[in-house]
Amino acid sequence: KAGVTQTPRYLIKTRGQQVTLSCSPISGHRSVSWYQQTPGQGLQFLFEYFSETQRNKGNFPGRFSGRQFSNSRSEMNVSTLELGDSALYLCASSLEYSGDTQYFGPGTRLTVL
Amino acid sequence: EDKVVQSPLSLVVHEGDTVTLNCSYEVTNFRSLLWYKQEKKAPTFLFMLTSSGIEKKSGRLSSILDKKELFSILNITATQTGDSAVYLCAAPNFGNEKLTFGTGTRLTIIP
Repeated sequence: KAGVTQTPRYLIKTRGQQVTLSCSPISGHRSVSWYQQTPGQGLQFLFEYFSETQRNKGNFPGRFSGRQFSNSRSEMNVSTLELGDSALYLCASSLEYSGDTQYFGPGTRLTVL
Repeated sequence: EDKVVQSPLSLVVHEGDTVTLNCSYEVTNFRSLLWYKQEKKAPTFLFMLTSSGIEKKSGRLSSILDKKELFSILNITATQTGDSAVYLCAAPNFGNEKLTFGTGTRLTIIP
């Protein structure tokens, strides 16, 4: 079974730009969660999607948004990028609930200059 | 607010030593605790613990959960350099479906 895939793997943007990251979950998994990981803050929960609906949201500003498609693939968007948005963005998929075992993708390393 | 706290934050030991990593939690609607190993990129799943006092084992790694005292430990015996990684524990809130991660323990094994 193919694992979770994320594209792109690396991104360099400048302040003020926007970015879209993509995540394809493991086949049959319907829950997709997004996390931001920085050295100082660890893994911070962004949001979780299930059946094309945002089921949960972490404490991030509205510049961070996401969506899920009917095939469970998910995208997250960050608008008006700030230097502090530089991080590793991980998505994880699970069968139904975020509390099920989550399988992580390799991440997208975003650098904002 | 749900909280997961790991200790120590970092640990440096020699190859062959045994280490114990700690994870305490305060999570509403708790049902399970998860351990992950993160080397360079994505965390990889190690254990899911749901029952108190029952040890889960995988090779040199083992973990146990204490639901009364709200903590879990991860033991690694006869450590090898390949065990060097950040170890994360996480607990889901089955009421709101949020998964809270600890900040991790960075383990470094010196040959």
